[in-house]
Amino acid sequence: KQEVTQIPAALSVPEGENLVLNCSFTDSAIYNLQWFRQDPGKGLTSLLLIQSSQREQTSGRLNASLDKSSGRSTLYIAASQPGDSATYLCAQGWAFNDYKLSFGAGTTVTVRA
Amino acid sequence: SAVISQKPSRDICQRGTSLTIQCQVDSQVTMMFWYRQQPGQSLTLIATANQGSEATYESGFVIDKFPISRPNLTFSTLTVSNMSPEDSSIYLCSGGGGGGSTGELFFGEGSRLTVL
Repeated sequence: KQEVTQIPAALSVPEGENLVLNCSFTDSAIYNLQWFRQDPGKGLTSLLLIQSSQREQTSGRLNASLDKSSGRSTLYIAASQPGDSATYLCAQGWAFNDYKLSFGAGTTVTVRA
Repeated sequence: SAVISQKPSRDICQRGTSLTIQCQVDSQVTMMFWYRQQPGQSLTLIATANQGSEATYESGFVIDKFPISRPNLTFSTLTVSNMSPEDSSIYLCSGGGGGGSTGELFFGEGSRLTVL
């Protein structure tokens, strides 16, 4: 069974500091990895999708890397803002054309003004 | 990308009753799923909603408790039957695999159920 782990569970930083969120997975036969943002009591917003053939993806202040050999993905958020406060979830895709995801427990980020 | 709408967004229900959650996607998607997120926890996959046939349930979830319909490529419903306080959760619909798909999965805003 695929297991996805996110450390730390919570993170508090001052505004302007760069954020580094870690995700590890046990199944080396990863198809893709997706990062999501979840605001309290809300649904999930897709942030970045990395295919297994890719090393990283970037969108604005966000950059996500994927290292299949070590079973790790890292989400970097540059110059954090209070609006970045949310829970960030990573999820591993299982197989081509399957779309099922295994989710980590998330990292809850607080950016202090 | 796909925009997914769910309703109701939240509801307070009495023990023993059933509630149906609707999920509408703004474009045709190959795959639709239902997830549950219990308080303070991450997402757990309930089932894959299959168009025109019975849903495929994950271990620990059964059709009698969570009947699912998917009459076409853009719509699905999840019913939470004979509810108990343990069913208090956010239920999320997701979809992916439409035209030009990159493999990305999109989610609705969720339906927050509180069972008293």
